[in-house]
Amino acid sequence: GDSVTQMEGPVTLSEEAFLTINCTYTATGYPSLFWYVQYPGEGLQLLLKATKADDKGSNKGFEATYRKETTSFHLEKGSVQVSDSAVYFCALSGNYGGSQGNLIFGKGTKLSVKP
Amino acid sequence: DTAVSQTPKYLVTQMGNDKSIKCEQNLGHDTMYWYKQDSKKFLKIMFSYNNKELIINETVPNRFSPKSPDKAHLNLHINSLELGDSAVYFCASNNPSANTEAFFGQGTRLTVV
Repeated sequence: GDSVTQMEGPVTLSEEAFLTINCTYTATGYPSLFWYVQYPGEGLQLLLKATKADDKGSNKGFEATYRKETTSFHLEKGSVQVSDSAVYFCALSGNYGGSQGNLIFGKGTKLSVKP
Repeated sequence: DTAVSQTPKYLVTQMGNDKSIKCEQNLGHDTMYWYKQDSKKFLKIMFSYNNKELIINETVPNRFSPKSPDKAHLNLHINSLELGDSAVYFCASNNPSANTEAFFGQGTRLTVV
């Protein structure tokens, strides 16, 4: 079945460091890909998405490109801030018509940014 | 003006009890979902309802029963609670026909003691 694999955390960085969180997927068909973020004590928020190959999603300085040839959707940010400390989830739209609400999630990567 | 709201935010209860978690969305979406996040933060879909009709029912014990009185509400009822049911439960909604992304509630942290 469809699945998402993302790098294990936790990831600890200093402020202004470069961030990469790797995400690869296995899917039949052509899913949409997402990054969701969960700040401490809060629910999930959509950070960015890409709905087809070679699309780049971007938001708040974060970027990810849908790479069909490598089945990847790596999250990057050039300069992280303390406020970016959160758990980041890579996800794809699953079966049942590929609705963007029917999501298969990776296990999450906890990011801690130190001042 | 909360988009997807869940109540309660925290729920502590004893084993064997029956409890419900409520979810409401004011986005006009026609599909709602329940997700479970375990102690290791792993998220997995449990149910999906479209216009009050069950669409997805993943491998979930039949002690869990979703109820959708109308398309803006999807409640989760859990019978005979067990220690392993302790988790954070998230409600979400979207419009598949308009290909919109999912909006999530703040979560309900259920602790079974």
